[in-house]
Amino acid sequence: NAGVTQTPKFQVLKTGQSMTLQCAQDMNHEYMSWYRQDPGMGLRLIHYSVGAGITDQGEVPNGYNVSRSTTEDFPLRLLSAAPSQTSVYFCASSLSGGIGYTFGSGTRLTVV
Amino acid sequence: DQQVKQNSPSLSVQEGRISILNCDYTNSMFDYFLWYKKYPAEGPTFLISISSIKDKNEDGRFTVFLNKSAKHLSLHIVPSQPGDSAVYFCAAVKRGSGNTGKLIFGQGTTLQVKP
Repeated sequence: NAGVTQTPKFQVLKTGQSMTLQCAQDMNHEYMSWYRQDPGMGLRLIHYSVGAGITDQGEVPNGYNVSRSTTEDFPLRLLSAAPSQTSVYFCASSLSGGIGYTFGSGTRLTVV
Repeated sequence: DQQVKQNSPSLSVQEGRISILNCDYTNSMFDYFLWYKKYPAEGPTFLISISSIKDKNEDGRFTVFLNKSAKHLSLHIVPSQPGDSAVYFCAAVKRGSGNTGKLIFGQGTTLQVKP
């Protein structure tokens, strides 16, 4: 039982490049979310999903896209990376939504 | 607008004493509150939670208190241990009908427990 798996663990991008942060869970959880962690800002919700085919915006969605074609996967796409997107990104999943969220170990992204 | 606020960025306590971490929220629709603990280079892990129909929940050394009228909750750790040193995040969600699982976090409080 791997839980929530995020790849890659580290990434350096140049301004303007695009990339996809991968998130996969093997717990058959319906609810999945993406957060970014920045000093002094805590964990801010980027996008979330209540099931396959259903996504919605969180607190800081600009510059990010998501899709949920399967229950297991919830990739986060950066369309055109900016230095302001330098952060640590966490994916999380939950069976019942809001409680019992399990987090991945994070992706540390640097945009230069 | 920050819906969940932790106004103390850091807290330092002596081993064996009580640690009290505070959290305020503004959205009265929130009906479930959680505390997560985070060590460096790891993802947050769930610690303890409380429903809005209760005012206290206890789990071993950890107790969460909820004051709905003040929109305030606190986490008490007694006794504090050096292994408790971590960042603690308060979080809130609206459950019930239309549950979106939209979990909103505060800024976090870094707890240091000195031996």
